Amino acid sequence: AQSVTQLDSHVSVSEGTPVLLRCNYSSSYSPSLFWYVQHPNKGLQLLLKYTSAATLVKGINGFEAEFKKSETSFHLTKPSAHMSDAAEYFCVVSGNSNDYKLSFGAGTTVTVRA
Amino acid sequence: ETGVTQTPRHLVMGMTNKKSLKCEQHLGHNAMYWYKQSAKKPLELMFVYSLEERVENNSVPSRFSPECPNSSHLFLHLHTLQPEDSALYLCASSQDLGGRDIQYFGAGTRLSVL
Repeated sequence: AQSVTQLDSHVSVSEGTPVLLRCNYSSSYSPSLFWYVQHPNKGLQLLLKYTSAATLVKGINGFEAEFKKSETSFHLTKPSAHMSDAAEYFCVVSGNSNDYKLSFGAGTTVTVRA
Repeated sequence: ETGVTQTPRHLVMGMTNKKSLKCEQHLGHNAMYWYKQSAKKPLELMFVYSLEERVENNSVPSRFSPECPNSSHLFLHLHTLQPEDSALYLCASSQDLGGRDIQYFGAGTRLSVL
């Protein structure tokens, strides 16, 4: 079985400053890892995906994440926050390639101050 | 938009009502999912269909009844619900059933049970 822990339930940043959202995972297999974003009254949108290729994954809207096996982490970063980045972010892990069941983190709410 | 459409967006129902949630995907995917998103809890997988066959019923009470008439449409029939069933119900689809397949989400139906 796999699981994921998002270490911060809420992150507040100023516009133009870096954003760091932390995620640790556990998995018995070589996992696939995802970050999704959910804006108010919207569904979940995929930001990026890791599937055992390059450990630094670039996503949409300037986000990127680094897979660190030794630390079982998959932290999400963005160099400069924008007001439109205010949303809830979910770190997600799947098990092996045949396992469609995803384990979702509890979410991190990001607020961006002007 | 992600290509997954859910209707209605909002639904208020009494405990004795019968209602249905509808999901339609325009992506040509073979797998469809129902999730429940409650406040401050990780997403819970409810049902999974692959090629119109149910492959997962994640210990969901019988007052929730899914239906998948074809690979593009998924319904969730609701009857005699409880107030604790109030939540955001999300539909998702993926190309196939696999841990590497990206799940694309609809905007959800916000359900309130009075």
